Amino acid sequence: SQQGEEDPQALSIQEGENATMNCSYKTSINNLQWYRQNSGRGLVHLILIRSNEREKHSGRLRVTLDTSKKSSSLLITASRAADTASYFCATGRAQKLVFGQGTRLTINP
Amino acid sequence: DVKVTQSSRYLVKRTGEKVFLECVQDMDHENMFWYRQDPGLGLRLIYFSYDVKMKEKGDIPEGYSVSREKKERFSLILESASTNQTSMYLCASSPLGGRVNQPQHFGDGTRLSIL
Repeated sequence: SQQGEEDPQALSIQEGENATMNCSYKTSINNLQWYRQNSGRGLVHLILIRSNEREKHSGRLRVTLDTSKKSSSLLITASRAADTASYFCATGRAQKLVFGQGTRLTINP
Repeated sequence: DVKVTQSSRYLVKRTGEKVFLECVQDMDHENMFWYRQDPGLGLRLIYFSYDVKMKEKGDIPEGYSVSREKKERFSLILESASTNQTSMYLCASSPLGGRVNQPQHFGDGTRLSIL
């Protein structure tokens, strides 16, 4: 069953611009995670935010969590060509994660 | 760094064959997972193992089985391959978590084609 839903499905921006992706989920969570997947590769963990946190930063990444709206956003600032990838949110269910369908981000030079 | 290694990047098999996909992790993680990834459907959990010889069905276990005889190795078995099992298969591992899920570490995937 689908828990996280990313929006938009695809995003294309110019290098140097900021990229924002959103994730909505249905049930209460303990934590929410964001992953990146380069074409033809496995997923790489980016950041984890706990349900009692509202915002978290890691380098050029900023994640927010609004548990009242059951939503999260991932902001990538000053985008680079190397940020071109698919981005997934995942919510915890016991020891497992449920992944959304992802946002495909393209950074144009 | 955690390394999760999947035995093949690309694999082509025939309908009806028994297919083995192997995954090895080097960080002594308790949890291991098998997913399949299809366009428009995202990642779907096939099976999950939280200890040697322990397994739990995921969301789409039909047509698959798993084996975990050693902590570092988790095998996915397609008992009788069918064309609808053509997909990208991803293995992942994580340490045991408490209330908060631990991040999962993924292999690079096996793109399996069933002809």
